[in-house]
Amino acid sequence: AQSVTQLDSQVPVFEEAPVELRCNYSSSVSVYLFWYVQYPNQGLQLLLKYLSGSTLVKGINGFEAEFNKSQTSFHLRKPSVHISDTAEYFCAVSEGGSNYKLTFGKGTLLTVNP
Amino acid sequence: DTGVSQNPRHKITKRGQNVTFRCDPISEHNRLYWYRQTLGQGPEFLTYFQNEAQLEKSRLLSDRFSAERPKGSFSTLEIQRTEQGDSAMYLCASSLRGQVKNEQFFGPGTRLTVL
Repeated sequence: AQSVTQLDSQVPVFEEAPVELRCNYSSSVSVYLFWYVQYPNQGLQLLLKYLSGSTLVKGINGFEAEFNKSQTSFHLRKPSVHISDTAEYFCAVSEGGSNYKLTFGKGTLLTVNP
Repeated sequence: DTGVSQNPRHKITKRGQNVTFRCDPISEHNRLYWYRQTLGQGPEFLTYFQNEAQLEKSRLLSDRFSAERPKGSFSTLEIQRTEQGDSAMYLCASSLRGQVKNEQFFGPGTRLTVL
């Protein structure tokens, strides 16, 4: 069975600092990987996804992630964060692509302080 | 494209009561998913439909839970004899089957509180 581990439950950073949110997964088959963001009292919004091809994936709002198969990781990065990036971030995995069921990690709360 | 909508946004009920939630997907989307998110956790898959057919159900979906999508458009999720452990955010998502890259779009969720 597939699973996702987000190693940090909370990450506080100062505005304009770089940030990395860590995600590791386990699966017995090839997987597709996703990062979603959730703002308070809202649903989830897709930031980026890895389906195939280049292991460096660029998403919305300046975020990017790198798929590392040997380390089974898919860490999310942003070189300079804004106050507006404060939200909960979820890593997810699917064995069937974007339109198959997703298995999520527990989430990382990113708090950007002035 | 008006997005995925869910109603109600909030529901407070007493233990033992039945509740029903509705999800309206993006109009041309043929796949619809239900997830449950408890406090401090990521969403957990409950079930999904392709058109009106329910193709998979999680073991989390006990006998008290039932989901339908009668005409392949909107879907309902009913919980019978609610328990305090059912308190959670219930999220609906939809996607267009046909390409592996097609994204799941999530609704705002229905927050259930069981007293």
